Amino acid sequence: GAVVSQHPSRVICKSGTSVKIECRSLDFQATTMFWYRQFPKQSLMLMATSNEGSKATYEQGVEKDKFLINHASLTLSTLTVTSAHPEDSSFYICSARDGGTRTDTQYFGPGTRLTVL
Amino acid sequence: KQEVTQIPAALSVPEGENLVLNCSFTDSAIYNLQWFRQDPGKGLTSLLLIQSSQREQTSGRLNASLDKSSGRSTLYIAASQPGDSATYLCAVPFYGGSQGNLIFGKGTKLSVKP
Repeated sequence: GAVVSQHPSRVICKSGTSVKIECRSLDFQATTMFWYRQFPKQSLMLMATSNEGSKATYEQGVEKDKFLINHASLTLSTLTVTSAHPEDSSFYICSARDGGTRTDTQYFGPGTRLTVL
Repeated sequence: KQEVTQIPAALSVPEGENLVLNCSFTDSAIYNLQWFRQDPGKGLTSLLLIQSSQREQTSGRLNASLDKSSGRSTLYIAASQPGDSATYLCAVPFYGGSQGNLIFGKGTKLSVKP
């Protein structure tokens, strides 16, 4: 089955630093990737949608200059949290849609736990 | 605006019981509905995907039903096991102005006690 990986799985950083999270589709080409954020006891909330080779589309309330998304290839998307602050501490999950099928199934990565001190 | 609600928020049952998790959505014009499982601190595992033309899907001890007209879906878990303990999320895709991003409910946290 389709597999999506995320790296790192867990990161702890100091306030003010930038953190990059990678999302990779391992055995399929992902024309579209999604980035979600989940705060404790809350549902997943979509942050942005990225298409390979084009700018990401951000959801309302998500700062595009703070959460930089790059979808440089059909198998890799990165989310960079710039100048991270404690309120950015959250669980970040990516998902990818298989561009080679007509299904609407999204395949999810295992998530990245970000803790900003 | 599509909203997804899951009831109950938490559920604790003894091992072996059959149980039902509920999901409701406000806009019945959906293409499909998915049920996911999330273990603590982990990502999502897709359990079942029901297309809008289908009424139910089965996988092992899991059975998901879909009633678009009433805006409801149920996830039935037969003969529950401690390993079923997790948070179960349902989600529907939203196509208004986007490309099928999912809208999630808050989930039902299931605890199955040995």
